[in-house]
Amino acid sequence: SQTIHQWPATLVQPVGSPLSLECTVEGTSNPNLYWYRQAAGRGLQLLFYSVGIGQISSEVPQNLSASRPQDRQFILSSKKLLLSDSGFYLCAWSATPWGSYNEQFFGPGTRLTVL
Amino acid sequence: AQSVTQLGSHVSVSEGALVLLRCNYSSSVPPYLFWYVQYPNQGLQLLLKYTSAATLVKGINGFEAEFKKSETSFHLTKPSAHMSDAAEYFCAVTRRNDYKLSFGAGTTVTVRA
Repeated sequence: SQTIHQWPATLVQPVGSPLSLECTVEGTSNPNLYWYRQAAGRGLQLLFYSVGIGQISSEVPQNLSASRPQDRQFILSSKKLLLSDSGFYLCAWSATPWGSYNEQFFGPGTRLTVL
Repeated sequence: AQSVTQLGSHVSVSEGALVLLRCNYSSSVPPYLFWYVQYPNQGLQLLLKYTSAATLVKGINGFEAEFKKSETSFHLTKPSAHMSDAAEYFCAVTRRNDYKLSFGAGTTVTVRA
């Protein structure tokens, strides 16, 4: 069966510090990968998605970047955090869309607080 | 482009009462529709999905949803609420061969003893 991991689970960082959040998927190959953010009262915001190694699509211009160095690894980064980067970050995966319904499966999330 | 609207950001029900969460979609092509549940400080869990087969879809934890094309709706119901149903619920839409889901704003359910 497939499993998705995120770490760390919680993170408190000062403004201006760098960020690296990691997501890995087990039990599948060539998944589509996604990063979402939930800020208080703002629902789910898609930040990035990737359909293959080195292929990253950005949905929202922001202080963040994403990378996919391996097939089942997705990393969210920032060089300098802003207060507005605080939120709950969720990673998700889906199977390739051709012939499937693109349901997404979510990781446990990372709670980021920027002070 | 597809989108969903969830009517009511907060719903409060008594334990044992019917749970009804409303979702209306907009799509120019046949949609695939999903309901997810999120417990505090956890990721989203898939409750059920509609993928153009049966219009009445049964999911986990006693939830079900009915696809009504004429009303462009996909409302989620559960006949008898449990305390454990307290969570946030998201409706989402996509179409065949699309990479992305469009999520609604979410509905928070509280269950009164």
